[in-house]
Amino acid sequence: ETGVTQSPTHLIKTRGQQVTLRCSSQSGHNTVSWYQQALGQGPQFIFQYYREEENGRGNFPPRFSGLQFPNYSSELNVNALELDDSALYLCASSSSLQNTGELFFGEGSRLTVL
Amino acid sequence: QQQVKQSPQSLIVQKGGISIINCAYENTAFDYFPWYQQFPGKGPALLIAIRPDVSEKKEGRFTISFNKSAKQFSLHIMDSQPGDSATYFCAAEPYQGAQKLVFGQGTRLTINP
Repeated sequence: ETGVTQSPTHLIKTRGQQVTLRCSSQSGHNTVSWYQQALGQGPQFIFQYYREEENGRGNFPPRFSGLQFPNYSSELNVNALELDDSALYLCASSSSLQNTGELFFGEGSRLTVL
Repeated sequence: QQQVKQSPQSLIVQKGGISIINCAYENTAFDYFPWYQQFPGKGPALLIAIRPDVSEKKEGRFTISFNKSAKQFSLHIMDSQPGDSATYFCAAEPYQGAQKLVFGQGTRLTINP
């Protein structure tokens, strides 16, 4: 069974640039969620994708957008990067068939905005 | 109403001691309360979870105590070991099946040998 994999692991961007982060969900999982974890803080829900559509969104501006592909993998795109976007971005996968709220997290993509 | 408040921010416990981390929530619709463990450079991993219809759940050295009327829940780690040193997050699910979690701020736990 393959776990959740994310790429890239680290990246550095400058203010105003755009970034795309990628996530492959765990085998058998059809739902992908993205979280932002600022240094020393708990993860914050950005949005969730199910059946290739956004299925709920946290308190993040529209410049945060995403995609889910037919193989359930997902992308997180952030436009017009700001310094406060520097954080660990976590992807979590789950199955709509499970009866618990358990999420399976990847190791994250560490974004630094200069 | 969507907040989960966690304390303490950091905790140091001697090997063999009991580690206790507390969380409080406001939204009575929350339906599932997991604890996640995160090691440096890794993503959070589920440690133990409870639903509000029980007051306690124990798995090995880890126990969740849940007080529905007080809207509080806590993690107890018995016989704490150096390998337990990590950051712990409590969380809550807004409603059953949401698979979207509201996390606490985290507790950095250090177990001294």
